[in-house]
Amino acid sequence: GENVEQHPSTLSVQEGDSAVIKCTYSDSASNYFPWYKQELGKRPQLIIDIRSNVGEKKDQRIAVTLNKTAKHFSLHITETQPEDSAVYFCAASLSGGSYIPTFGRGTSLIVHP
Amino acid sequence: EAGVAQSPRYKIIEKRQSVAFWCNPISGHATLYWYQQILGQGPKLLIQFQNNGVVDDSQLPKDRFSAERLKGVDSTLKIQPAKLEDSAVYLCASSFHLQGAGVNTIYFGEGSWLTVV
Repeated sequence: GENVEQHPSTLSVQEGDSAVIKCTYSDSASNYFPWYKQELGKRPQLIIDIRSNVGEKKDQRIAVTLNKTAKHFSLHITETQPEDSAVYFCAASLSGGSYIPTFGRGTSLIVHP
Repeated sequence: EAGVAQSPRYKIIEKRQSVAFWCNPISGHATLYWYQQILGQGPKLLIQFQNNGVVDDSQLPKDRFSAERLKGVDSTLKIQPAKLEDSAVYLCASSFHLQGAGVNTIYFGEGSWLTVV
């Protein structure tokens, strides 16, 4: 089955800095990569996703890049704000089938004011 | 639009006792998932339903965990008997997913927090 590794486990930045979270996956057939944000005590919520037919996708201050050859994808947050503090999860799955995403272990992002 | 509803939000039980969690997915969502999230880890799939049929339950510890979705809407997850290592958040999620129709967003509930003492 799919295995997703996520790094770092904890990331501490100053407000205004950029943050990068990296994930690798094992199954070359995976073609859909969502990112979820989970604030303390709340549900995970989808913030951005990317499919294997594109290499990069941006949505305001967040962007995701995908390198299919190397089987890794990354989340980039620019101009971080304290409200970006949360746990971020990456996931990988095969779209079009039963769609069972495998999640990484999560990255706790702390943005210091 | 109403979200995925779960209850109870919090439960504390002693080991060897039983517990049941309930989930009501977003209206019209055919696919329902139960995930286990242990503190400091990502969600791990326990079982996936498509309508009232099981798609994948390969990671469900069937000696103690059971789940059903009898009418293709609400679902219950039961643990009996509970062990200390079952302490986790149990997340229910749903998606409007048709087989072969590509990807649809998964929406999570707030979770049911279980502590086994």
